[in-house]
Amino acid sequence: KQEVTQIPAALSVPEGENLVLNCSFTDSAIYNLQWFRQDPGKGLTSLLLIQSSQREQTSGRLNASLDKSSGRSTLYIAASQPGDSATYLCAVSPGRGSRLTFGEGTQLTVNP
Amino acid sequence: GAVVSQHPSRVICKSGTSVKIECRSLDFQATTMFWYRQFPKQSLMLMATSNEGSKATYEQGVEKDKFLINHASLTLSTLTVTSAHPEDSSFYICSARPQGAYGYTFGSGTRLTVV
Repeated sequence: KQEVTQIPAALSVPEGENLVLNCSFTDSAIYNLQWFRQDPGKGLTSLLLIQSSQREQTSGRLNASLDKSSGRSTLYIAASQPGDSATYLCAVSPGRGSRLTFGEGTQLTVNP
Repeated sequence: GAVVSQHPSRVICKSGTSVKIECRSLDFQATTMFWYRQFPKQSLMLMATSNEGSKATYEQGVEKDKFLINHASLTLSTLTVTSAHPEDSSFYICSARPQGAYGYTFGSGTRLTVV
């Protein structure tokens, strides 16, 4: 059974800092990994998706890496801003169209 | 981009009544939709997989007679919480994968409070 772990559970940083969120998964036989952002009481917004054959994806100040063999992914946020405050979730899928297994999330607070 | 619309966003109901939540894919067809439940400070847990034109597949421990799922068209799936109790209070969220896409799009979620 796939298990996804995210560290840290919560993170508070001053504005402007670069930061790294970690995600690990127990079964390396994944099809892809997706990072999401969730604001309080809201749905999920997809940030980045990495296929199993890829090593990283970038979007603006966000960079996600994937080391499939070691079961790890990181989400790098550059020059953090208060608007980045949210819960960040990673999820893996074993196949196209298959269910997602989510981590517990990292609650990020960026202080002005 | 692909949009999944979920309604209502918030509902309060009395214990013993039923509540229906709708999930629509606005600009794509979704043969499969997923329903998740999220308790406070916890992650999303898959409840069931909704398949257009056939019965939903429920995860272990999820009561299919309590959480009725109907996927009657390629753009609409509904989740009905029957005889709701306070312990059913939670955040329910649906998702679908647009054809040709690798990732999933999520609805905005429904906050259910049973009093």
